[in-house]
Amino acid sequence: SQTIHQWPATLVQPVGSPLSLECTVEGTSNPNLYWYRQAAGRGLQLLFYSVGIGQISSEVPQNLSASRPQDRQFILSSKKLLLSDSGFYLCAWSKTSGYEQYFGPGTRLTVT
Amino acid sequence: GQQLNQSPQSMFIQEGEDVSMNCTSSSIFNTWLWYKQDPGEGPVLLIALYKAGELTSNGRLTAQFGITRKDSFLNISASIPSDVGIYFCAGQGGGSNYKLTFGKGTLLTVNP
Repeated sequence: SQTIHQWPATLVQPVGSPLSLECTVEGTSNPNLYWYRQAAGRGLQLLFYSVGIGQISSEVPQNLSASRPQDRQFILSSKKLLLSDSGFYLCAWSKTSGYEQYFGPGTRLTVT
Repeated sequence: GQQLNQSPQSMFIQEGEDVSMNCTSSSIFNTWLWYKQDPGEGPVLLIALYKAGELTSNGRLTAQFGITRKDSFLNISASIPSDVGIYFCAGQGGGSNYKLTFGKGTLLTVNP
């Protein structure tokens, strides 16, 4: 069966510090991978998605970037965090030709 | 872009009651998905619908793909306290675009 991991689970960072969030998927090959942010208002905002190694599509211009160094690894980064980067970050995967997305447990980021 | 209108935004019900929520769109979708999110966790896929008019059940949950392909409904029968959470609908327009459009969620509270 497939599993998706995210870490860390919780992170408190000062403004201006760098960020690296990691997501890994097990039990499947060549998945599509997604990063979402969920603000307190509940909506899910798609940030990035990837259909293969090194292939990243950005949905929203912002202070964040994403990379996919390995088939089942997806990383969300920032060089300098802003207060507005606070939120709940969710990674998800889907099969190569599938529409059903499966979410990880999320990372709660608080920028102080 | 495509938008989904999910209603109601929140519901307060008594244990044992039935619940109905829906999503509507001005655009046609080829896939409808329903998710549930518990506090502090990632959304979990409940039901996937792929055909207009399709009615699918998962235990006490029943979802329908609207015949116009512009709406979907989720019903929960005989609610229990563990049904508490946020329910999201998501639609996909088909083709090679695997991105999902999410509704803003329905917050369900069940009073024992």
